[in-house]
Amino acid sequence: DTGVSQDPRHKITKRGQNVTFRCDPISEHNRLYWYRQTLGQGPEFLTYFQNEAQLEKSRLLSDRFSAERPKGSFSTLEIQRTEQGDSAMYLCASSLVPGTGGADTQYFGPGTRLTVL
Amino acid sequence: KNEVEQSPQNLTAQEGEFITINCSYSVGISALHWLQQHPGGGIVSLFMLSSGKKKHGRLIATINIQEKHSSLHITASHPRDSAVYICAVRAMEYGNKLVFGAGTILRVKS
Repeated sequence: DTGVSQDPRHKITKRGQNVTFRCDPISEHNRLYWYRQTLGQGPEFLTYFQNEAQLEKSRLLSDRFSAERPKGSFSTLEIQRTEQGDSAMYLCASSLVPGTGGADTQYFGPGTRLTVL
Repeated sequence: KNEVEQSPQNLTAQEGEFITINCSYSVGISALHWLQQHPGGGIVSLFMLSSGKKKHGRLIATINIQEKHSSLHITASHPRDSAVYICAVRAMEYGNKLVFGAGTILRVKS
């Protein structure tokens, strides 16, 4: 078990460019979460999937953000027309569905640090 | 106002000291988590609490549901404990999603 992995670990881009991040969850986990964390703050919820279904999106997630989990395994988060305010650490986490006999613990990936110049 | 407040924001301790980090929350919760984040981003779950007290090695976490308060204690602190400690609650009014505190930056000096 390699845990939750994210790629890339760092991304530097120019304002206006599109970027895509990938998250590979723990294989048997059916829930996958995306969070954003800015310097000095705790993570903020962006969206989550149960299997391939995107069940909820935060109001923080503008129309420039889109996330997919096409086969219920890995997920991608795309940011279109990046802005300097998008600079942050983007964290992915996975878990089993709470209450189905699985633990209510989210396992976090190492994050992708995005810098928009 | 943040639903989850942590104190202190920054904490510097000498190796061997007993450390306490506090977390207060203002929403109804189904569980509270303590997380550890090392430089570079990786977050590790330390505890999940819904009542009482849990202990793991030198770490102790307590929660008082009536007072909406939790504490994380580190006994015999060590420089390798240096990290950001984050309190997160599973908030019922937000569909049981995790709501995070801003974190406490702990530095333990040898």
